[in-house]
Amino acid sequence: GAGVSQSPSNKVTEKGKDVELRCDPISGHTALYWYRQRLGQGLEFLIYFQGNSAPDKSGLPSDRFSAERTGESVSTLTIQRTQQEDSAVYLCASSLQRGVTDTQYFGPGTRLTVL
Amino acid sequence: AQRVTQPEKLLSVFKGAPVELKCNYSYSGSPELFWYVQYSRQRLQLLLRHISRESIKGFTADLNKGETSFHLKKPFAQEEDSAMYYCALKNRDDKIIFGKGTRLHILP
Repeated sequence: GAGVSQSPSNKVTEKGKDVELRCDPISGHTALYWYRQRLGQGLEFLIYFQGNSAPDKSGLPSDRFSAERTGESVSTLTIQRTQQEDSAVYLCASSLQRGVTDTQYFGPGTRLTVL
Repeated sequence: AQRVTQPEKLLSVFKGAPVELKCNYSYSGSPELFWYVQYSRQRLQLLLRHISRESIKGFTADLNKGETSFHLKKPFAQEEDSAMYYCALKNRDDKIIFGKGTRLHILP
């Protein structure tokens, strides 16, 4: 079946504008993760959803960042009043469930450039 | 602090030579450890996990709790192994912490 998809694949925005990034997980996957990857850096955990609840929001870098998820489906990551340091690739991953069998499947990422 | 350290940003190895990608972790408890790989123009994907004790594409990794290490090894490098490799740790809250990655470049 289809893998994790993300849209848009590329987004260029002006500083101060809001952006919304979308993730469609694999159907039936209950867990969903958002990561940020800045140039030359590793993956930085942002937020994790189990179903539509977010037990761990500790990675969100500031209150300009928020995320929501509808049921066990689509998730959106919203960045308000974007800053140049928000420029990064934003990756989404989903997994079937928590626990031993929860291999993460990653999407292709959204490359965000803030001018 | 929970941390994953990959000391090498870039590792160049000749084809046929052994490969070792280093990973050290900091975690008070029993971690789950993983290696992820990203080939050029492909998505990040799971390579192997320590609990499976498996060998994937000739790669193995052994968890050494004494040295808090989970180094990735392969006896004979192949050109198709060139990729970005990430070591990751999953804590008891299911949060996954990634290292900064090592780019493996296999020289012909």
